[in-house]
Amino acid sequence: AQSVSQHNHHVILSEAASLELGCNYSYGGTVNLFWYVQYPGQHLQLLLKYFSGDPLVKGIKGFEAEFIKSKFSFNLRKPSVQWSDTAEYFCAVKVKNYGQNFVFGPGTRLSVLP
Amino acid sequence: DADVTQTPRNRITKTGKRIMLECSQTKGHDRMYWYRQDPGLGLRLIYYSFDVKDINKGEISDGYSVSRQAQAKFSLSLESAIPNQTALYFCATSDTQGYGANVLTFGAGSRLTVL
Repeated sequence: AQSVSQHNHHVILSEAASLELGCNYSYGGTVNLFWYVQYPGQHLQLLLKYFSGDPLVKGIKGFEAEFIKSKFSFNLRKPSVQWSDTAEYFCAVKVKNYGQNFVFGPGTRLSVLP
Repeated sequence: DADVTQTPRNRITKTGKRIMLECSQTKGHDRMYWYRQDPGLGLRLIYYSFDVKDINKGEISDGYSVSRQAQAKFSLSLESAIPNQTALYFCATSDTQGYGANVLTFGAGSRLTVL
């Protein structure tokens, strides 16, 4: 079945630790890839996106993600997390031949301890 | 004012009641979506509309209906609410083409509890 998976349900880190959140998708063909973030009590906001070109994309607040086509992956990274990064992170895929709709992963909750 | 406004923000209702969640947007986007968020399941698409005359079922449309009253308004109805429809509901919009077609703008969410 077509799906988007995220490796971790809940990640707990101390401030200044490095972060990597995994995302894999099972669609073939051309995809657009996204990471959205949902801070506590807030709506989802776009963190970064990949459409084409350089597979390493940079987003807001020091986040970056790498698209590895051969692995169907789009992992999110940040070298040094802050307490304010505590949030839920959603990977999403837009498949060009799938009704132009976005499919979201189950989310990874990140808790950063001060 | 928010670009995408959802009302109500919180609602508690009883099994069998009819509920309507409303969404309005000032983005001028043609495309509107209703998602449902459940813990551990992420966001799942209920219905989407690419323009006023275009309504499409999403992944989990059973038990829901929608109405696109105008370009700016897209409402979600639960004709007879049941407890497993307890969830956080998000409305979102996107543009039709170009960069905006690939970015969703979300509302703040409507938390629905069905007792």
